[in-house]
Amino acid sequence: GENVEQHPSTLSVQEGDSAVIKCTYSDSASNYFPWYKQELGKRPQLIIDIRSNVGEKKDQRIAVTLNKTAKHFSLHITETQPEDSAVYFCAAPSIQGAQKLVFGQGTRLTINP
Amino acid sequence: GAGVSQSPSNKVTEKGKDVELRCDPISGHTALYWYRQRLGQGLEFLIYFQGNSAPDKSGLPSDRFSAERTGESVSTLTIQRTQQEDSAVYLCASSLNPTRETQYFGPGTRLLVL
Repeated sequence: GENVEQHPSTLSVQEGDSAVIKCTYSDSASNYFPWYKQELGKRPQLIIDIRSNVGEKKDQRIAVTLNKTAKHFSLHITETQPEDSAVYFCAAPSIQGAQKLVFGQGTRLTINP
Repeated sequence: GAGVSQSPSNKVTEKGKDVELRCDPISGHTALYWYRQRLGQGLEFLIYFQGNSAPDKSGLPSDRFSAERTGESVSTLTIQRTQQEDSAVYLCASSLNPTRETQYFGPGTRLLVL
């Protein structure tokens, strides 16, 4: 929705452990929730997305879960590797007024070897 | 096909000068967005185009910023009388549909105002 909150702002995990990043949104009509990964000095790139008609989606070590009742969605990365270190952004549509994606503030994920 | 391209990749300018940043979206993408990203910060929405019209200009920081899009393709972001606080990476993105489809980002233009 118009307001997307993302937590935590920084996250440090040991290589091989799991990482979870959570976002909440305010517009209950929102129906599309993408996650972007931005490596240092690079452009943001989509890594996974979910639509409101499903509760979970997986792609290898990455999964996203959606709780429409609570209006939150989460990114789960399992068996983390050093190349997972990056900033991750969630987003949700702003349905009110002009339609656009509203991005969360970002989470800087560091994988410690 | 080709992705989103932006030019120039880097721009150094003196305070008070005008700059123009260009974005070439993916062919057929009707939605186009401009974002600003300061060092270590998040994505700050500037303006959104649907076709050649801009339904949402709410993110433009001041009247020194303007943008246009022609032919439902190329867009230019113009910053007049640049200030040091304008220094940032300016990212352009395009998508088939504003709220239901992936936004594809360009490589950005890194602007430094001295």
